Amino acid sequence: ETGVTQSPTHLIKTRGQQVTLRCSSQSGHNTVSWYQQALGQGPQFIFQYYREEENGRGNFPPRFSGLQFPNYSSELNVNALELDDSALYLCASSFSSSGRRETQYFGPGTRLLVL
Amino acid sequence: DAKTTQPNSMESNEEEPVHLPCNHSTISGTDYIHWYRQLPSQGPEYVIHGLTSNVNNRMASLAIAEDRKSSTLILHRATLRDAAVYYCILRPSNSGYALNFGKGTSLLVTP
Repeated sequence: ETGVTQSPTHLIKTRGQQVTLRCSSQSGHNTVSWYQQALGQGPQFIFQYYREEENGRGNFPPRFSGLQFPNYSSELNVNALELDDSALYLCASSFSSSGRRETQYFGPGTRLLVL
Repeated sequence: DAKTTQPNSMESNEEEPVHLPCNHSTISGTDYIHWYRQLPSQGPEYVIHGLTSNVNNRMASLAIAEDRKSSTLILHRATLRDAAVYYCILRPSNSGYALNFGKGTSLLVTP
């Protein structure tokens, strides 16, 4: 069984640029969540996608957006990058049904540095 | 949302038991207590969760106080591979999406 994978592992961008991060969910999972983890802090919830629709969002501006594809892979897009966007971005997949949400399984993350 | 309080760091000797405390005095009746850990350079991984009764699995045990205002994650025999940041998270039963991580407890295991 393949776990959650993320690409790329590391990325360097400059302020104002746009970035796309990718995630492949664990087999059989239909829900994906994205988190941002600044250095020395716990992960902070960005949003979650279920059946290709956003169904929950944390305190992040609209320049953070996402997509979930029919094969349950996902993208996180960040526009107009700011220096504070430098962080580890984590993707987590889980299986949800009838309003019940199961354990989240995390990928290794993508480390983004904004210069 | 109810909050949790954990010590910033703890230290343990290898092969000894470790008790990681978590206070959650404002917990509601429908909040589950979840524990995740994050090993260096990895994403968080699920450890254990419970509601009222103590729970055991192959990784750890979870002891929940009778009033549910605190809980303890127990690693029965710490190994060097258990060195990680441990997060105690409250998760309402009617809300599935966000895991609200705090700063967690950084566990150092020494040989």
